[in-house]
Order: sequence, then C-alpha cells, then structure tokens
Amino acid sequence: DSGVTQTPKHLITATGQRVTLRCSPRSGDLSVYWYQQSLDQGLQFLIHYYNGEERAKGNILERFSAQQFPDLHSELNLSSLELGDSALYFCASSDRGTGTEAFFGQGTRLTVV
Amino acid sequence: DAKTTQPNSMESNEEEPVHLPCNHSTISGTDYIHWYRQLPSQGPEYVIHGLTSNVNNRMASLAIAEDRKSSTLILHRATLRDAAVYYCILEPSNTGKLIFGQGTTLQVKP
Repeated sequence: DSGVTQTPKHLITATGQRVTLRCSPRSGDLSVYWYQQSLDQGLQFLIHYYNGEERAKGNILERFSAQQFPDLHSELNLSSLELGDSALYFCASSDRGTGTEAFFGQGTRLTVV
Repeated sequence: DAKTTQPNSMESNEEEPVHLPCNHSTISGTDYIHWYRQLPSQGPEYVIHGLTSNVNNRMASLAIAEDRKSSTLILHRATLRDAAVYYCILEPSNTGKLIFGQGTTLQVKP
C-alpha cells in the first residue's frame, strides 16, 4: 500500500460525458502528479501540483483540468469524453517537488463507451 | 524533453544478478535519472534515483556513466517477485515530471 488513495477504482461512462477522478496523497506530501496510461501511448505525464500551485504540465488535453485543494487532495476533471480517453489514470504524490521518490496509487480505470 | 532507450525485454535466472541498461544520450546536466517498476494491474513502484553519482539502496544499485549518457540498474539477486516492467526515466530539474519510456520487461526464471 503506497498510501495514495484514488477513487473510484473503475468508471464506465458514455462519450460526451464529464467525470471527476479524485486523489488523496500520502500524509504530509505536498506534491501531486497525474499520469495517463493507455496501451498505445504508455505512461504519459499530465500535470504536477505543488502545495496548491501548478508546477509542470505535460501534454494534457484542453478538455482535461486538474486542481489541488487546500487539504492537498487533488481532482482530475475530464470532459467531453471520447473513446480514446479510455485508460488507466494514476495519481502519485511526493514530499518535495523534484528529485525525490514518488508514490503511485492503484489507479482509476476509465472506460468510455 | 530528453528520452531514454531500453531493451524491450530481458531474461534472468532466479538468484542471479541482473543488469538493466538504459541510454539517455540527450540528457541535460540537471536531469535526474529515476528507475521505477510496474507489475500488472498496479501503479509504478519507485526503485532508485540519482543525479551524477552511483547510488545504492535496499532494492538495487544505480550505476551512472561518467558522461551521464547511460545508466544501469543492478538487481543483485533476482527473485520471481522482481519480474516486472522496468522504466528508466528522466526528470527535468525542478519539474517533478517523470518522462516514461517503453520500459524493459524482465522475466525471471526459476
């Protein structure tokens, strides 16, 4: 158990819909990261928040947005969903913002039908 | 962002050392080198990381070339539980951004 909690574990939704994925980092960790893992693209970095502020951004689609709240939990919002958005979404956390070990959650498996 | 190149797959015998190579010829001077592994249906798990010097921890050792254009993850005694996909990853300094490649699938034979 990494200490990072992601909910829900599985999500099935229709094209065009909007979903919210939630991540609770390890106690005391200030950084939260979001990654997408699909069969054709592998693991892709989406975004990094440190203590509530956006630190780095990857190739995150405009239909996707994220935020980190004052209690340090984070949410990833995916809207206007397409079939190609079906993937595993991982959240990770770390104590610092760089050069440190990151702890990954078990992921949320999103299926868009 | 700099990229890494790893062999697609490797095999090892149980209780023997394993050397997993990684090339990162376009690495920047301040990029960290990380290794993570992933078991099926699980999130990636941290193995080790370094910047310039070789590193050891309870799981593995990381040997970094002097010019930093390549590195090797060393598992000292492979066990069946070490069978996984191993990712060599670069992290641009001060971003926390892990750039995953395709990884090496390690098979461990009893």
